[in-house]
Amino acid sequence: DTEVTQTPKHLVMGMTNKKSLKCEQHMGHRAMYWYKQKAKKPPELMFVYSYEKLSINESVPSRFSPECPNSSLLNLHLHALQPEDSALYLCASSQIGQGENYGYTFGSGTRLTVV
Amino acid sequence: GESVGLHLPTLSVQEGDNSIINCAYSNSASDYFIWYKQESGKGPQFIIDIRSNMDKRQGQRVTVLLNKTVKHLSLQIAATQPGDSAVYFCAEKKGGGGTASKLTFGTGTRLQVTL
Repeated sequence: DTEVTQTPKHLVMGMTNKKSLKCEQHMGHRAMYWYKQKAKKPPELMFVYSYEKLSINESVPSRFSPECPNSSLLNLHLHALQPEDSALYLCASSQIGQGENYGYTFGSGTRLTVV
Repeated sequence: GESVGLHLPTLSVQEGDNSIINCAYSNSASDYFIWYKQESGKGPQFIIDIRSNMDKRQGQRVTVLLNKTVKHLSLQIAATQPGDSAVYFCAEKKGGGGTASKLTFGTGTRLQVTL
């Protein structure tokens, strides 16, 4: 399996809702990432997990809460979002090592609309 | 501050011609520079990378050139095909070496291949 699987593919939620985005990989990658991508813009890094521990938080608002329950799964819990949070949320994974460029494998994303 | 950006937002080329997509970076201690292709509705897909101590690297139909003197990165696609139509992002990668790295994307160029 060489894929990163994200569910759901599309999500519409109200500003008072609580929802979760899920990401799964079975490539044995020990680094996992959440990116946010607005239309016609590059992906922006949100969170990085190394060996299931949060290693980078790019000053993301607390209404986004990441979770890495095990080495294959990455969740993004959403609560009290704003319409401007509508975007494509991308998950990625990579190996961790030294001296080599271990490429990122991206999922196809969850298209989130906040109404 | 550090940034990775592109000169041209849209590039239109005829099928069979060569394409050149450019990227400028301002100040970086990146380990690798990477090109990604993103098709509509999909996540970024790795194309080719180049280590920061190299000038040129070739892949299948693609070549990446790195000019550290002027902080410039380019992607050359030979014999451009309709399937090459997509948005192309340059990205810089820092860190790793035992922990997860940090991948930062540039602003993107849309490549349109005309028949």
